[in-house]
Amino acid sequence: KQEVTQIPAALSVPEGENLVLNCSFTDSAIYNLQWFRQDPGKGLTSLLLIQSSQREQTSGRLNASLDKSSGRSTLYIAASQPGDSATYLCAVLGSARQLTFGSGTQLTVLP
Amino acid sequence: SQTIHQWPATLVQPVGSPLSLECTVEGTSNPNLYWYRQAAGRGLQLLFYSVGIGQISSEVPQNLSASRPQDRQFILSSKKLLLSDSGFYLCAWNRQGDSPLHFGNGTRLTVT
Repeated sequence: KQEVTQIPAALSVPEGENLVLNCSFTDSAIYNLQWFRQDPGKGLTSLLLIQSSQREQTSGRLNASLDKSSGRSTLYIAASQPGDSATYLCAVLGSARQLTFGSGTQLTVLP
Repeated sequence: SQTIHQWPATLVQPVGSPLSLECTVEGTSNPNLYWYRQAAGRGLQLLFYSVGIGQISSEVPQNLSASRPQDRQFILSSKKLLLSDSGFYLCAWNRQGDSPLHFGNGTRLTVT
């Protein structure tokens, strides 16, 4: 059974820092990995999707990488801003064609 | 562009009462539709998914059911709510199984 872990559960950084969020998964037989952002009391917003054949995807200040063989993905946020404060979740689409989500990293960017 | 609507945003219901949460998608046809539940401090749990009208797959046996009466409409129901049904319910869609998943704003359900 696929398990997805995100460490740390919470992270607080000063504005302007570059930061990395981690996601690990136990079964490397995946189709893709998706990163989401969730604001308090809201739904999830898709940030980046990396297909299993890709190594990374970029969107603005966000860069997501995927190392399928080691079961790891990172989300890099450059020059963090207070507006980046949210919970970030990763999810993997496994061999059963079902998404498995991590519990998220709650990010706070201090002004 | 595609949009997903989910309502109500919040709901407080007594134990034993029925439930109906509705989700509709605009701007696309034949989407895959999903219902998830998110418990505090935990990941999302897939409850139901549908690849077409009248086609419902259940992932977790429980007190809930889902229906898809129209191509872009997905309904989550219960005949009698339990306290344990409290949570944050999210509807989502995508074009096909491995394309990006898009979520509604969720419904916060409190069963009292």
